[in-house]
Amino acid sequence: AQKVTQAQTEISVVEKEDVTLDCVYETRDTTYYLFWYKQPPSGELVFLIRRNSFDEQNEISGRYSWNFQKSTSSFNFTITASQVVDSAVYFCALSERMRGSARQLTFGSGTQLTVLP
Amino acid sequence: DAMVIQNPRYQVTQFGKPVTLSCSQTLNHNVMYWYQQKSSQAPKLLFHYYDKDFNNEADTPDNFQSRRPNTSFCFLDIRSPGLGDAAMYLCATSRGGGSTDTQYFGPGTRLTVL
Repeated sequence: AQKVTQAQTEISVVEKEDVTLDCVYETRDTTYYLFWYKQPPSGELVFLIRRNSFDEQNEISGRYSWNFQKSTSSFNFTITASQVVDSAVYFCALSERMRGSARQLTFGSGTQLTVLP
Repeated sequence: DAMVIQNPRYQVTQFGKPVTLSCSQTLNHNVMYWYQQKSSQAPKLLFHYYDKDFNNEADTPDNFQSRRPNTSFCFLDIRSPGLGDAAMYLCATSRGGGSTDTQYFGPGTRLTVL
């Protein structure tokens, strides 16, 4: 069975600090996809990134960056120069095949990030 | 803008009174999902439709049903809500058909059961 672990339940930082959210996963699949979603207080899950298991190149998008290391089964997410608007729950998720061709997301338990002004 | 829409955003019902939550999408995606998310927990998949093919998760209570009358709409029916069914209900869609499939979520409906 697949599993995603987000060991950090809550993190608080002061605005402009950098923060890294950890994600460790377990899967027997040789091909898989990893995701990060952001859930602000409004409740909507906002898709941030998808990364496939063959691509270990780090990715940067503005203040966001992701470090995928297959050797340690980790897919960590760093926010540089954090802002108050970054305050949210962040979920890491792993994709697996369901019946038919749809894919099921296995979510981690989420990390509540609070950025203080 | 193409999106996933859920109505209503907030729903209050009484214990045992049937309630229906609505989801629509303009993405023309093949797959629609319903998740239940309780406070401080990860979303839990209830069921999904791949086109008209309904797929129920093994541990989804019989109290929860779903309908998908067409590609754009999907409904979640809770036949006899209990206090334990109070939660955020999230609808998601995806194109389906491949390993690159990404799920896009609606804003959710927060259900309160009195």
